[in-house]
Amino acid sequence: GAGVSQSPRYKVTKRGQDVALRCDPISGHVSLYWYRQALGQGPEFLTYFNYEAQQDKSGLPNDRFSAERPEGSISTLTIQRTEQRDSAMYRCASSSGTSRYEQYFGPGTRLTVT
Amino acid sequence: AQSVSQHNHHVILSEAASLELGCNYSYGGTVNLFWYVQYPGQHLQLLLKYFSGDPLVKGIKGFEAEFIKSKFSFNLRKPSVQWSDTAEYFCAVVGRDDKIIFGKGTRLHILP
Repeated sequence: GAGVSQSPRYKVTKRGQDVALRCDPISGHVSLYWYRQALGQGPEFLTYFNYEAQQDKSGLPNDRFSAERPEGSISTLTIQRTEQRDSAMYRCASSSGTSRYEQYFGPGTRLTVT
Repeated sequence: AQSVSQHNHHVILSEAASLELGCNYSYGGTVNLFWYVQYPGQHLQLLLKYFSGDPLVKGIKGFEAEFIKSKFSFNLRKPSVQWSDTAEYFCAVVGRDDKIIFGKGTRLHILP
């Protein structure tokens, strides 16, 4: 596709369940980023990949959060044992190797933990 | 800690009014600055960016922003807004650790 896609667009889950959020970046983009955006806040960095290598995961809030990009394209952000405080918009972005600060965002996944 | 401050959380203007959205950042090193916009129902998209050179940057849809180093500011302007400019606007800076730091956003509502 032409842009970054994310699925699902909306996810409602019960506390304690695991969720997996998917991001499909722009074809050929080297870098992929995950952000979390709480209501009334701007996006906050979670982690990023260059190709399949996770370069920085310092923004992941705790060890319930993990991400992978095994083949250097699609990425999955997994949240285990979800808690209500995990409710947020999860955004994915990708950028080319030549301009990593010009990030193209997907539509986001709105996660609600009940 | 590095931060980005957007002073106006919610702005309401009539069509044809002039717009200025304030943005200040705390990072004092080499700055890379952005404004992103999210239109209703759409995803975040880049409006304009400043990396170096002319501190007055022009972006899409008639927007511009001015980097004033002495004031640590990067305010967004548009001389005459349209109803279609209704959106949420985010200022952002690349921080010391090479990550993009976003402000909290400003919701702009244009009255037709």
